[in-house]
Amino acid sequence: EAGVVQSPRYKIIEKKQPVAFWCNPISGHNTLYWYRQNLGQGPELLIRYENEEAVDDSQLPKDRFSAERLKGVDSTLKIQPAELGDSAVYLCASSLVGGADTQYFGPGTRLTVL
Amino acid sequence: KNQVEQSPQSLIILEGKNCTLQCNYTVSPFSNLRWYKQDTGRGPVSLTIMTFSENTKSNGRYTATLDADTKQSSLHITASQLSDSASYICVVRGTTSGTYKYIFGTGTRLKVLA
Repeated sequence: EAGVVQSPRYKIIEKKQPVAFWCNPISGHNTLYWYRQNLGQGPELLIRYENEEAVDDSQLPKDRFSAERLKGVDSTLKIQPAELGDSAVYLCASSLVGGADTQYFGPGTRLTVL
Repeated sequence: KNQVEQSPQSLIILEGKNCTLQCNYTVSPFSNLRWYKQDTGRGPVSLTIMTFSENTKSNGRYTATLDADTKQSSLHITASQLSDSASYICVVRGTTSGTYKYIFGTGTRLKVLA
């Protein structure tokens, strides 16, 4: 069974440029999470989807970040415009149902903003 | 405030030795606690999950304990191997306003030397 797929794995952009990350969760997983992980820190939730509905986006900086999960399968996270402080690893995870079920993480996208 | 604190921040041990990592949390109400292993450049992988009523759970050479009264958990690694070199992240699930949230610790970075 394929795991969570993310692309690109690495991205280097200049500040003020837009950037987008893509995530394909494990087949059949209803819940999808986007996390941001700064160096030496634990992941911080940005947004959680149950199917196509964003049920928790309280930590998403909505002035520059947006996300979508069309058809309740794969998802895209966008930053526009990027700032220096956005440099981090962006992790996508999925689970069968939210709550007690195990989250399976993708390898992440390492973003560097110059 | 819901928090998860881990100690030590980093640890270096010799191959074959045992070690114990600590996790203290203030998340309430408590739902469950997970330990994840995160290899460099990879996403976290779940090692164990513990609910309120569980005191000990093992996964091979990894043994997690939970004291829900003192809100402490530990992860004990027996007979360490070079492949155990990774970050270990403690994650507590709590419930707020009818929805759940995962609170991540900052992790303990373990280095096992030959």
